[in-house]
Amino acid sequence: GAGVSQTPSNKVTEKGKYVELRCDPISGHTALYWYRQSLGQGPEFLIYFQGTGAADDSGLPNDRFFAVRPEGSVSTLKIQRTERGDSAVYLCASSLTSREGEQYFGPGTRLTVT
Amino acid sequence: AQSVAQPEDQVNVAEGNPLTVKCTYSVSGNPYLFWYVQYPNRGLQFLLKYITGDNLVKGSYGFEAEFNKSQTSFHLKKPSALVSDSALYFCAVRRPPYGGATNKLIFGTGTLLAVQP
Repeated sequence: GAGVSQTPSNKVTEKGKYVELRCDPISGHTALYWYRQSLGQGPEFLIYFQGTGAADDSGLPNDRFFAVRPEGSVSTLKIQRTERGDSAVYLCASSLTSREGEQYFGPGTRLTVT
Repeated sequence: AQSVAQPEDQVNVAEGNPLTVKCTYSVSGNPYLFWYVQYPNRGLQFLLKYITGDNLVKGSYGFEAEFNKSQTSFHLKKPSALVSDSALYFCAVRRPPYGGATNKLIFGTGTLLAVQP
């Protein structure tokens, strides 16, 4: 079946602009996660949704970052007033449940802020 | 606080030889442990997990990992390496799903496995 998909695959934006990154999880997966991976590092947790609600947003670095999942499926990560330090690969993952299910990752969106 | 350490940035091994990629962790309670592999320009792929039970866990592509509670380690192993195993490997940990623990994964910094033909 189809895996996690993310669009766009690459996004180049100017400092100060607003961007939206989209994640389409595996059908039927109730839990959805966003991570950020900087060069040479492991993924770092940003936010986790169980259904439509954000169950844990402790990884969001500041209030410029926001994510939604209005219908419990597709999620959008929104970044306002982008900064060069936001440049990274943004990974989305989903799992069947939030308890023991392993997380399945999408290919990521590479964000470059110039 | 939870943390994962992968002490080796790179592991080199000849094709056909056994390989080990090291991982140690720190987490309160019984850990849930995972290994993921990342190929160039591709997302993370799940290899295997340990939740409970047998300390030796078998996963995809012939990989296995051994959970050692006393040493707080979860090393990834394969009896005979293939050139196609060359990739970036990540160990991850999370707290068990009770007591309000979040489901987030804490990743190590990754180990590049290079298998020479």
